Amino acid sequence: EDQVTQSPEALRLQEGESSSLNCSYTVSGLRGLFWYRQDPGKGPEFLFTLYSAGEEKEKERLKATLTKKESFLHITAPKPEDSATYLCAVRKNYGGSQGNLIFGKGTKLSVKP
Amino acid sequence: DSGVTQTPKHLITATGQRVTLRCSPRSGDLSVYWYQQSLDQGLQFLIQYYNGEERAKGNILERFSAQQFPDLHSELNLSSLELGDSALYFCASSLQGQETQYFGPGTRLLVL
Repeated sequence: EDQVTQSPEALRLQEGESSSLNCSYTVSGLRGLFWYRQDPGKGPEFLFTLYSAGEEKEKERLKATLTKKESFLHITAPKPEDSATYLCAVRKNYGGSQGNLIFGKGTKLSVKP
Repeated sequence: DSGVTQTPKHLITATGQRVTLRCSPRSGDLSVYWYQQSLDQGLQFLIQYYNGEERAKGNILERFSAQQFPDLHSELNLSSLELGDSALYFCASSLQGQETQYFGPGTRLLVL
């Protein structure tokens, strides 16, 4: 069964304390892994897309990496404004124009000043 | 701002009623996706339309239906509402089917 598991469920950090969020997946035929950020009551905001093992992408204090079984979202020297729920999602190689995502349940990050 | 718009923002209704949620995709995007987010289930895929045609179905109940119109906006119809249908409903769009999906701000549905 296709599955996306994120850990930890919740993470509390002090401002400046770097850490990593994990997303492990079991999907036949991966056609992209996506990271989104979601603030309470808002829609998910796109962060990164990763397509192949070994790929890395960076944006400000965030860096996403991908292996054959999991992805990590590294947060370097986080600030309180980085507090949000981070969602991981995968898309299978459906072929054609089918493109629905399978989401994990997210990691809720809190960064205290 | 993702460029995807959804109306209404909030909807409060009673059990047994029917509601319609509306989504306008980003300019140029042909695919529209509907997702449901509840506290215990996370984001669940409901249905995808591509250029007016249904392309994929997920865990969508028979009481729910959707369509995409010639101007590419989409509507999600929820009928015979139950308490358990209370959730956030998100629409997302992408150029075709293989690209990044951009999400709208969502519609919060409360069924009393």
